[in-house]
Amino acid sequence: AQTVTQSQPEMSVQEAETVTLSCTYDTSESDYYLFWYKQPPSRQMILVIRQEAYKQQNATENRFSVNFQKAAKSFSLKISDSQLGDAAMYFCAYRSPKFPSGAQKLVFGQGTRLTINP
Amino acid sequence: EAQVTQNPRYLITVTGKKLTVTCSQNMNHEYMSWYRQDPGLGLRQIYYSMNVEVTDKGDVPEGYKVSRKEKRNFPLILESPSPNQTSLYFCASRHKYRGLSGAYGYTFGSGTRLTVV
Repeated sequence: AQTVTQSQPEMSVQEAETVTLSCTYDTSESDYYLFWYKQPPSRQMILVIRQEAYKQQNATENRFSVNFQKAAKSFSLKISDSQLGDAAMYFCAYRSPKFPSGAQKLVFGQGTRLTINP
Repeated sequence: EAQVTQNPRYLITVTGKKLTVTCSQNMNHEYMSWYRQDPGLGLRQIYYSMNVEVTDKGDVPEGYKVSRKEKRNFPLILESPSPNQTSLYFCASRHKYRGLSGAYGYTFGSGTRLTVV
């Protein structure tokens, strides 16, 4: 079974600086999908960025980018120019392409709570 | 607006009193899932459904039931709640086919905070 590990329960960063959140995963599959979700105090789960394992290019969405290291099974999230609105819990998640159960399930890490210091 | 609607947002109940958390989506999604979120554990899947009348267990199904009689609705039923089911619950849905749900990810509801005393 796949597992996802976020080893940083909490992180903090000064506003306008850059922070990197770590995520590692364990799988025997060669193709899969990886996601970062943001959960602000409102509890809403917001998709930040996604990565398909067969794509070597790292995904980028505005100030958010990932460092995807397939061989190392690492999927870190970099937030540049941190803003107060980035304060949230961040979850890394894995999804298998296998049908049917894998297509149904996101496997989540434990989460990293990010604090932005003004 | 495309969304997943969960109700109630907060619920306090007593041990053994049956309850239902409702979930409805307006995106015509085939796949729907229930997750529970606990500190230090992230989110874990309880049950999922691939379409009407097709449901299956996730990783933590004990103590829960689901049904999928209509495509848009996927209620979570706790027939005899216990304190260890105190948690934050999320319903989520996605389209069956890759590329038709935006980012291939799920759309989540706003969560239901359940406390069982």
